[in-house]
This record gives sequence, structure tokens and C-alpha cells, in this order.
Amino acid sequence: DIQMTQSPSTLSASVGDRVTITCRASQSISSWLAWYQQKPGKAPKLLIYKASSLESGVPSRFSGSGSGTEFTLTISSLQPDDFATYYCQQYNSYWGTFGQGTKVEIK
Amino acid sequence: EVQLVESGGGLVKPGGSLRLSCAASGFTFSSYSMNWVRQAPGKGLEWVSSISSSSSYIYYADSVKGRFTISRDNAKNSLYLQMNSLRAEDTAVYYCARVGSGLIDYWGQGTLVTVSS
Repeated sequence: DIQMTQSPSTLSASVGDRVTITCRASQSISSWLAWYQQKPGKAPKLLIYKASSLESGVPSRFSGSGSGTEFTLTISSLQPDDFATYYCQQYNSYWGTFGQGTKVEIK
Repeated sequence: EVQLVESGGGLVKPGGSLRLSCAASGFTFSSYSMNWVRQAPGKGLEWVSSISSSSSYIYYADSVKGRFTISRDNAKNSLYLQMNSLRAEDTAVYYCARVGSGLIDYWGQGTLVTVSS
């Protein structure tokens, strides 16, 4: 089974900060990686697909990069609406394994 | 507008059964694979099961294999999850999710399943 490991688990940052979240796959998943944002009590929302493609309607301050086993989600300038939990998910195989999540908190 | 509306959650005793439903609208349901994903209270997301557009391919997480059954009715634009032999660790919000181009692109609002005596 493909395991996905995110780091850090929690991140404290201020509005305007550049934020980077890392996701590592236990084996190569090419570019079959998605990033989701989840706010408390809400369903996840797709941000990035195919490692670096921005979903329609998602602000350009979000970007993704990587391939193979190492991936990153970057928020170029953190906004108040961005404080949430972020998950990566591989979709190289039918069981879409999620990372454990990264909570972005207000510093 | 794509809409996925789950129902059927509730409180059930350990060993009991529950059937979740997901009503889909705003897209051609019969053309898409669908997933169930769950989230235990305060925990991360866990993929539960997948079903292809014509029900030809069905997959389950090891944690639910043999106890849960995914199905769909394309004529009714509906997805189902039959959950038997429920355990405390199955307590979670269960999300219905559409799979587009291999990944989950739309999620329902979720339905809470609580397994407790």
C-alpha cells in the first residue's frame, strides 16, 4: 500500500507569511497528487490536482509542485481565510490514500 | 451545480447495521466513479470504498472489507453504503465523493455515524 506522510502536522504562521507543506509518498506516484483544504465542520475542498494544476476558482497564491515521491503545497502570502487543515491525497492507485493533515494556525 | 447529499447517519449499537445514501444531482451520475470517505472525530480523512460508473469495479479499505458494501443505482442517481457489524471505530462523518479524472473533485456535506452502546 502507498503511504502518504505530511509535514509538519501543525504550522503556526501570520497573515502575509509564505507557507510550505510537504507530502511524501512511500513509492512513486508520478504526478497523481491532489491537495485539499478543510475548515472545521465542512467538507474538504479541492485546491490542486496533478501535483501542480490549480483548480478553477482557487486563488493563485496557492501552488503545488513535485513529482515521484516528494510534493509541496505553497501559500505565497497567507490570508485570514487560509487558516485551515490541508490534506494531500495520492490517486495513483484506486485506494486514494490521504496524508494525515497539516493544520495551519494563527501565530 | 454538482450536489451530493448524504443521509442515513445516526446512532447505532455495536454490531448493528446502517445504510447510508447519497443523492447526486447537477451532473451525469452514471458517467462517474464514486467514493465513500470517512473522518473520525478530530482525525484525518480515510478512504473507505470506491465504485466505478457501471459498478464493474468495487474496492474497499481493509478496515471495512467484509462488513461494508458499496452500491449504486444510476437510474436513481444514488450511491449507497451498507454498513454491517459496526464497531466503535467506525464512528465518523461519512462523505460521499465524486471521482473526476481519477481524483475526488466534489464532496457531499457528510453524515455522522455514531456507534455506541
